[in-house]
Amino acid sequence: GNSVTQMEGPVTLSEEAFLTINCTYTATGYPSLFWYVQYPGEGLQLLLKATKADDKGSNKGFEATYRKETTSFHLEKGSVQVSDSAVYFCALSHNTDKLIFGTGTRLQVFP
Amino acid sequence: GAGVSQSPSNKVTEKGKDVELRCDPISGHTALYWYRQSLGQGLEFLIYFQGNSAPDKSGLPSDRFSAERTGGSVSTLTIQRTQQEDSAVYLCASSSNRGKETQYFGPGTRLLVL
Repeated sequence: GNSVTQMEGPVTLSEEAFLTINCTYTATGYPSLFWYVQYPGEGLQLLLKATKADDKGSNKGFEATYRKETTSFHLEKGSVQVSDSAVYFCALSHNTDKLIFGTGTRLQVFP
Repeated sequence: GAGVSQSPSNKVTEKGKDVELRCDPISGHTALYWYRQSLGQGLEFLIYFQGNSAPDKSGLPSDRFSAERTGGSVSTLTIQRTQQEDSAVYLCASSSNRGKETQYFGPGTRLLVL
């Protein structure tokens, strides 16, 4: 069946460090891929998405590229800020079908 | 415009009681989803409504869980005879009818079963 695997956290970084959170998926066909973020005390927000192979999603300095050959959608940011501290969820879906989430990765950025 | 809203924001109940959780989707969104976020299980899909089609109930964990969507808008998730393992944050999301559209989440209802 369909599934998403992402690296366990917490990921602890200093401000301005480079961030990578790995995400790989197993799915039939060509799912859409998403990164959602949950800031402390807030609800889930879409961070970025990609709907087909080789697409790059980007938002707020974060990027992820849909790699079908490696079934991956790794999240990257060149220079993290304290305000990026949150839990990040990788997810997939087929059209308007349900989202299948990874377990989430907590990012902690210290000044 | 207004986002997805959920009520109540917090609910404490005693084991064995029934609870109802409400979701108001974004106006015009025809797809509505319920998810559950708990410490042990992460984010799990529960049920999905799309327009007038029969709902996808494949994620409901037991027959104590049910959901309705009246008039294609507001949805109510009902948990009967609550158990302590039902304690979680229940999230609602909605999306437009078009394929591959983003799901927008509400703030959730935090349920605690004592």
